[in-house]
Amino acid sequence: DIQMTQSPSTLSASIGDRVTITCRASQSISDWLAWYQQKPGKAPKVLIYKASRLESGVPSRFSGSGSGTEFTLTISSLQPDDFATYYCQEFNSYSRTFGQGTKVEIK
Amino acid sequence: QVQLQQWGAGLLKPSETLSLTCAVDGGSFSIYYWNWFRQSPGKGLEWIGEINHSGSTNYSPSLESRVTMSVDTSKNQFSLKLSSVSAADTAVYYCARGGYRYRGLMDVWGKGTTVTVSS
Repeated sequence: DIQMTQSPSTLSASIGDRVTITCRASQSISDWLAWYQQKPGKAPKVLIYKASRLESGVPSRFSGSGSGTEFTLTISSLQPDDFATYYCQEFNSYSRTFGQGTKVEIK
Repeated sequence: QVQLQQWGAGLLKPSETLSLTCAVDGGSFSIYYWNWFRQSPGKGLEWIGEINHSGSTNYSPSLESRVTMSVDTSKNQFSLKLSSVSAADTAVYYCARGGYRYRGLMDVWGKGTTVTVSS
């Protein structure tokens, strides 16, 4: 199975900060990488797919990059609605593995 | 706007069978794969399996021996059964739609059902 490892596990940031989350795959997954946002008590919501493509309706302050085994999610200017947990997911294999999550907290 | 409405028993005893159903409200049922996931503090988000309108299934190898998924196309519903549950199966269970273009990308989710296994 492919393993997905995110860092950091928790991130404290202020409104307006630029935030970067990293996701590493245990083997190359090309660009079969998605990023989801999850708020407490809610289901995950897809933000980015194919490593860098923005899902329809998602604000442009979210961006993704990377290929192979290393990927990043960047929020260019953190907004109040962005405090949540973020997960990466490889979505090509049948394990469909998620990372363990990065919680973005208010500093 | 497609919505997934899920339901099922929330409290089970060890060795019982978990049973959940997800109804698809709106959109096409036949062109997508329909998935189950679970989320627990210990194991994070975990894919359980998928099914399509004709009943073709793919299951996670780690759960395959205990999982059965089924579909009722007359009601646009799909279901999950997980047998011989234990405390390790305690989690929030989600149904989700696999995208039309990218089947492994979940673009619509149910609200989740909390399942607790306790004697």
